[in-house]
Amino acid sequence: EAQVTQNPRYLITVTGKKLTVTCSQNMNHEYMSWYRQDPGLGLRQIYYSMNVEVTDKGDVPEGYKVSRKEKRNFPLILESPSPNQTSLYFCASSLMAGTNQPQHFGDGTRLSIL
Amino acid sequence: DAKTTQPNSMESNEEEPVHLPCNHSTISGTDYIHWYRQLPSQGPEYVIHGLTSNVNNRMASLAIAEDRKSSTLILHRATLRDAAVYYCILRDVFSMSNDYKLSFGAGTTVTVRA
Repeated sequence: EAQVTQNPRYLITVTGKKLTVTCSQNMNHEYMSWYRQDPGLGLRQIYYSMNVEVTDKGDVPEGYKVSRKEKRNFPLILESPSPNQTSLYFCASSLMAGTNQPQHFGDGTRLSIL
Repeated sequence: DAKTTQPNSMESNEEEPVHLPCNHSTISGTDYIHWYRQLPSQGPEYVIHGLTSNVNNRMASLAIAEDRKSSTLILHRATLRDAAVYYCILRDVFSMSNDYKLSFGAGTTVTVRA
């Protein structure tokens, strides 16, 4: 089944403890992106990647890192998480970069940073 | 991206059609109309998109007004699984931005009564 898989789905952790949220897609998509969704603020893009080894900052990249060593994987890294990074995170992918490309989303990762 | 206006909420009975309106009076000639939905506790899901002609797929139909200033997403027979927030957005195919991020407004919350 074509899908975007995120892990973990839920995580409660403490300030400063490094964590990684994994994202994997099995559709051979070139474009991948990370968003966070907060009440009243909607979806905000954190980082995106046009293809392997090509990543760029979105609107809210502070405190996050990403890598794209393989086409299928696009992990989101929080080196030193803080409470303001408590949020619902979504990974998305599309066949190619482009405004007319439908984006496919994972089911989300709910992070709570205490 | 140009702005869209949607009703805050709509209710429907199961197995009846649902017509979701979207106004986009400032649409440009290169804007495609896209619809996504987000079910509770899930990531956004692409539904359909179109430019001028009406479009059909397995999930829904998109009816676009002749002047393109409005459109309607049609769910032909609502099921309980169609209860979600539906987002209508415009995507400029010639956008100069290369982040291709999605940005949703408040959307329309659809409630389906059994």
